[in-house]
Amino acid sequence: NAGVTQTPKFQVLKTGQSMTLQCAQDMNHNSMYWYRQDPGMGLRLIYYSASEGTTDKGEVPNGYNVSRLNKREFSLRLESAAPSQTSVYFCASRVGPLSYNEQFFGPGTRLTVL
Amino acid sequence: AQSVAQPEDQVNVAEGNPLTVKCTYSVSGNPYLFWYVQYPNRGLQFLLKYITGDNLVKGSYGFEAEFNKSQTSFHLKKPSALVSDSALYFCAVRGLNDYKLSFGAGTTVTVRA
Repeated sequence: NAGVTQTPKFQVLKTGQSMTLQCAQDMNHNSMYWYRQDPGMGLRLIYYSASEGTTDKGEVPNGYNVSRLNKREFSLRLESAAPSQTSVYFCASRVGPLSYNEQFFGPGTRLTVL
Repeated sequence: AQSVAQPEDQVNVAEGNPLTVKCTYSVSGNPYLFWYVQYPNRGLQFLLKYITGDNLVKGSYGFEAEFNKSQTSFHLKKPSALVSDSALYFCAVRGLNDYKLSFGAGTTVTVRA
């Protein structure tokens, strides 16, 4: 099992450009999550999908959109990138929205917006 | 609203000494509590969790954590630290009926040889 995979690993954008971060899991998990990690702030939830067909906002959704393409895939889109979106982005998955099981994380995408 | 506090940005210990990383939480009702570790340029790896039952939880790599309901704490411990334990550690909490996991700001652990 590959677990949770993310592409790309690194990306540099200019202000105003758009891009989509891809995430896929092969563990048959129902719930998927997008976080951003900034120094001293821990992980902050951007959007999540409790189950296939649903998406909801997290703590910091502004400037982002998501698509739960199918059970395996959950993408994060930046429509018009801003320097404040420079961060490391992590995708995660869990068996189910109320499961007591842990979340599994991908390796991250390091994004720089100039 | 749920939240996690990790009061120490950094913890420095000598190899072979005990390691403690502190975590306190706030949640409505009973919590699910987790510890994750992050090595440089890597994703988060799960260490251990508290669901219910025994307050002392044992996890990966010799780590353990003690759940204290009255003090709303879930401190991570290792009896004898290794240089390879140097990493960033995150505590996280979820309410039983909450979809979302809340993370602390993280504690950087440095173990010197």
